[in-house]
Amino acid sequence: AQSVTQPDIHITVSEGASLELRCNYSYGATPYLFWYVQSPGQGLQLLLKYFSGDTLVQGIKGFEAEFKRSQSSFNLRKPSVHWSDAAEYFCAVGAMAEYGNKLVFGAGTILRVKS
Amino acid sequence: DAGVIQSPRHEVTEMGQEVTLRCKPISGHNSLFWYRQTMMRGLELLIYFNNNVPIDDSGMPEDRFSAKMPNASFSTLKIQPSEPRDSAVYFCASSLGLAAGEQFFGPGTRLTVL
Repeated sequence: AQSVTQPDIHITVSEGASLELRCNYSYGATPYLFWYVQSPGQGLQLLLKYFSGDTLVQGIKGFEAEFKRSQSSFNLRKPSVHWSDAAEYFCAVGAMAEYGNKLVFGAGTILRVKS
Repeated sequence: DAGVIQSPRHEVTEMGQEVTLRCKPISGHNSLFWYRQTMMRGLELLIYFNNNVPIDDSGMPEDRFSAKMPNASFSTLKIQPSEPRDSAVYFCASSLGLAAGEQFFGPGTRLTVL
């Protein structure tokens, strides 16, 4: 069965600084990988996804993530953080099942941005 | 595109009462997922449907929880009787099933059981 580990529960960065959120997954085959963002009181919004091909994936709001098979990682990055990026971020891994996709989510990382 | 629609957005009820949460998936999507989010347990998958058929309900915590999908555009999650520990945010999500796997989430229903 697939699983996802997000080692950092909280991260605080200064506005304008770079950001990297870590995600490690466990899955026997080639995974489908996702990053979602959740602002307070809101649902989850997809930032980016990886299915195949180029291992560096670009997403919305200036985010990118790199799939590293050898490290079973899919870390999320942003070169310059804005105060509006403060939110909770979830990494998820999915697998093609006979009857559709089931995603397994990590525990989330709360990002705080200080001015 | 209206996105996934959930109602009500907030529900406050007393212990022992029946609670029904509703979800309308994105038109054309054939997979629907119910999640529960709490501080203690994070985001948990309760049940998911494909083409209106329940596929995996292993996440449903107890027999007090039940879910139905009578047609492609509507699903309900019912709790009867409700208990304070059911207090959480309940999300519905939909996807194209066997396709890309991306799930689109609704805004959630915040349930408080007193």
